[in-house]
Amino acid sequence: DIVMTQSPDSLAVSLGERATISCKSSQSVLYSSNNKNYLAWYQQKPGQPPKLLIYWASTRESGVPDRFSGSGSGTDFTLTISSLQAEDVAVYYCQQYYSTPYNFGQGTKLEIK
Amino acid sequence: EVQLVESGGGSVQPGGSLRLSCAASGFTFSNYWMHWVRQAPGKGLVWVSRISSDGSTTNYADSVKGRFTISRDNAKNTLYLQMNSLRAEDTAVYYCARDGRFLDRGAFDIWGQGTMVTVSS
Repeated sequence: DIVMTQSPDSLAVSLGERATISCKSSQSVLYSSNNKNYLAWYQQKPGQPPKLLIYWASTRESGVPDRFSGSGSGTDFTLTISSLQAEDVAVYYCQQYYSTPYNFGQGTKLEIK
Repeated sequence: EVQLVESGGGSVQPGGSLRLSCAASGFTFSNYWMHWVRQAPGKGLVWVSRISSDGSTTNYADSVKGRFTISRDNAKNTLYLQMNSLRAEDTAVYYCARDGRFLDRGAFDIWGQGTMVTVSS
C-alpha cells in the first residue's frame, strides 16, 4: 500500500499570506507511460463533503480560484495558497489514485493567525 | 445539476447489517467508476471500495474485505454498499464519490453529502 504523509498537521497563516502544505508518498505515484502524477488535493470545510481542488498533482479543478496551486512529482508534492482568504479555513487532504487502496494523507488543518 | 445523494445510514448493533445507496443524477452514471469513502467522527478520510463502470471490477480496503460488498444498478443510476458484520470501528460518515477518469481527471470529482452509520450496542 502507498502511505501518504502530510506536513504539518496544522498551520496558522495570516490573511493575505502564503500557505504551503507538503505531501509525501511512500512510493512514486508517477505513471511513466503517460508522465502523470496520480495525486489529488481536496478541501473539506466543517460539515461538508470534500471538494476536489487539484488533480494530476498540478491541474486546478474548474472553478477553483487561481490562488490555489499544486506542484511536485514522484513522491513529493506541495499545495500552495498564494494569498490566504478567510474562506480558505478548512482541512486539506492529499490522495494518491495510482493504486488501490487510494489512500489519503492524514489531513492538514489550516487556520487564520 | 450533477448530484450524488446517499441514503440508508442509521444506528445498528455490532454484528448487524446495513445497505447504503447513492443515487446519481445529472450525468451518465454508467460511464463512471464509483467509490465509497468514509470518515469517522473527527478523523480523516478513508477509502473503502470502488467499482468499475460496468460493475465487473471491484476493490476493497483490507479493513472491510469480506464484510462489505459494493454493487451498482446502472438502469437505476444507483450505487450500493452492503455492510455486514458491522463493528464499532465502522462508525463513520459514508460518502459516495465519482471517479473522474472518464473525464481524464482520475481523482474524485463529485461527492455526495454523506450518510452517517453508527455501530453501537
